[in-house]
Amino acid sequence: GAGVSQSPRYKVAKRGQDVALRCDPISGHVSLFWYQQALGQGPEFLTYFQNEAQLDKSGLPSDRFFAERPEGSVSTLKIQRTQQEDSAVYLCASSRHLTGTATNQPQHFGDGTRLSIL
Amino acid sequence: GENVEQHPSTLSVQEGDSAVIKCTYSDSASNYFPWYKQELGKRPQLIIDIRSNVGEKKDQRIAVTLNKTAKHFSLHITETQPEDSAVYFCAASRGVTGTASKLTFGTGTRLQVTL
Repeated sequence: GAGVSQSPRYKVAKRGQDVALRCDPISGHVSLFWYQQALGQGPEFLTYFQNEAQLDKSGLPSDRFFAERPEGSVSTLKIQRTQQEDSAVYLCASSRHLTGTATNQPQHFGDGTRLSIL
Repeated sequence: GENVEQHPSTLSVQEGDSAVIKCTYSDSASNYFPWYKQELGKRPQLIIDIRSNVGEKKDQRIAVTLNKTAKHFSLHITETQPEDSAVYFCAASRGVTGTASKLTFGTGTRLQVTL
């Protein structure tokens, strides 16, 4: 089946503009994660959804960052009043979830959205 | 929170030689350790993972070892090929009943396999 799909692949915005990044996870995957990857660095966690519930948003860098997954499938990461330091690749990952266990399932990543703030 | 350190940051090997990348983690509650390969401009791809109830796992030319006591784990690639050239990331996460857990990544190792 199809993998994790993200759009757009590239986004250029002027400082101060709002942007919205979309993630379409693998069908049936309950868990959805957003990560931010700066140039030459490893991905850093932003937020996590289990179905439509946002269970962890501890990695969001400021209140300008907002994520939602209203129907438990597609997710949108929104950044308001963008700043130059927001320039990065934003990766989405999804995984299955086994209820009643403490076993992590592999996370499958999309190609990411490369965001450039001018 | 969890901290994952990864070494070396760059690694150059000749085709056919072995490559070893090492990671250490700080959170003793971490129990899942995946390795990702990322080519330039592409998505991180899971190549192998290991859970804390085993010490070693192998898949063809790739193997991972885990030492829970020392809190370190390593990726071994044998008989390297040019297509192995990429950036490799280690990661760690906890297992929590009822929910998935975020991955904490290392800073990456750029592997170059030369002819």
